[in-house]
Formats: sequence, structure tokens, C-alpha cells
Amino acid sequence: DTGVSQDPRHKITKRGQNVTFRCDPISEHNRLYWYRQTLGQGPEFLTYFQNEAQLEKSRLLSDRFSAERPKGSFSTLEIQRTEQGDSAMYLCASSPMTGGAGELFFGEGSRLTVL
Amino acid sequence: RKEVEQDPGPFNVPEGATVAFNCTYSNSASQSFFWYRQDCRKEPKLLMSVYSSGNEDGRFTAQLNRASQYISLLIRDSKLSDSATYLCVVTPASNTGKLIFGQGTTLQVKP
Repeated sequence: DTGVSQDPRHKITKRGQNVTFRCDPISEHNRLYWYRQTLGQGPEFLTYFQNEAQLEKSRLLSDRFSAERPKGSFSTLEIQRTEQGDSAMYLCASSPMTGGAGELFFGEGSRLTVL
Repeated sequence: RKEVEQDPGPFNVPEGATVAFNCTYSNSASQSFFWYRQDCRKEPKLLMSVYSSGNEDGRFTAQLNRASQYISLLIRDSKLSDSATYLCVVTPASNTGKLIFGQGTTLQVKP
């Protein structure tokens, strides 16, 4: 399967713990996106990379969230000191675009539950 | 005001019906527009791009009205398999790859 893969698919953690999600995009896709989705809502933009450069980050993100894409391939999203409000599906997507916007190819997501 | 607004529905229609969804966006500088489809407990997938002149893909027709900052999706001859959430997606400006998703409109097609 050469689609976007995310790991882990499910994570249950206690409030205050740190969690990290990994995303492997479609090979050779330049762009990688992170979104968060809660029940009944559309995906909410968190950040995106073009190769290893983080081009935009949502103002909604607090300092507890950080994302990296060190070699322009896979990416990690870390949430520090988790809160119950962080419970959501974290979606990763990749795109072959380098200018403007184009089709996003999403992974199946990483579901986070904070107790 | 949300950047992209949709009526969440749900829209309950019988098979064979024609149904239309609307979406408004707040940033007049927005350049690219899309409709995505999301099945229950699945990831979103691109349904179609929306072009200024309007475009059609089989039973699906998308329209853009830049003056009113309004996008629509028309589905003709609804099938049971069309049941899903339809997400309106907009780029906030011309020089960004960022895509903003609406809340989504849920469609249930009944036999």
C-alpha cells in the first residue's frame, strides 16, 4: 500500500502525558499537512510543510503542539501535557503540489483519547 | 465568523432525488475551491474541484459565485451510496497551500 500511513491508529493517554504521532506521506509528495477533527466538525488545519520547511502553523495551536519533518519525508506531531480537549482524530495528508493548492491525500488518522 | 460555513444538515432524501448543498466563504482573496467527501469513520477524499465557469462530473455539478462568495454542489439522481458528509474546502489566499475545511453537510439517501 503506497498511501499515507499514520501511527499509532489509536492512543489512549492520561491528562498531562506527552504523545507523538507519526505520518509517512506518499513517496515523493512535497507537502505534508496535519489536521485535527472532532465529531461533527470538519478537519481543522494545524500546520503544513513543504519538504522540510514548516510553512504555516495555525494560530489556534498552543505551544504544547509541535510538528517536525526533519528530512522532508515522514513527519511527527507531538502534543505535550495533554488535556482532555486534545481528544480528537489527528489526520495527516500529503500532496504533490509545490505551488498553490491541490488535492490532499489523507491517511486514516490517529485517534487520541485523553482521560 | 467562520472562514467556511456550511449547513450541517442532515439532508434526508429519497433515492433518485436531486439535492443541493451550499457553502459560503469569508475571504474574498480565496483562489481554489473543492468539494471533499467523507464517509462515516473514514478519511476525507477529493470529490471534485470547483472552477469559476462551473463544472460537472457525472451526476455532480459544482458552481462558484465569486461575487457572493458562494459555492454549491448539486447531486442528481441520488444513490444510496451517495450517503456521506460533503466538505466544502477553500484556500484562503493565492500564495498558500493551506486548505480550510467547512463543517460538512451530511447527506442520507433513503431507499
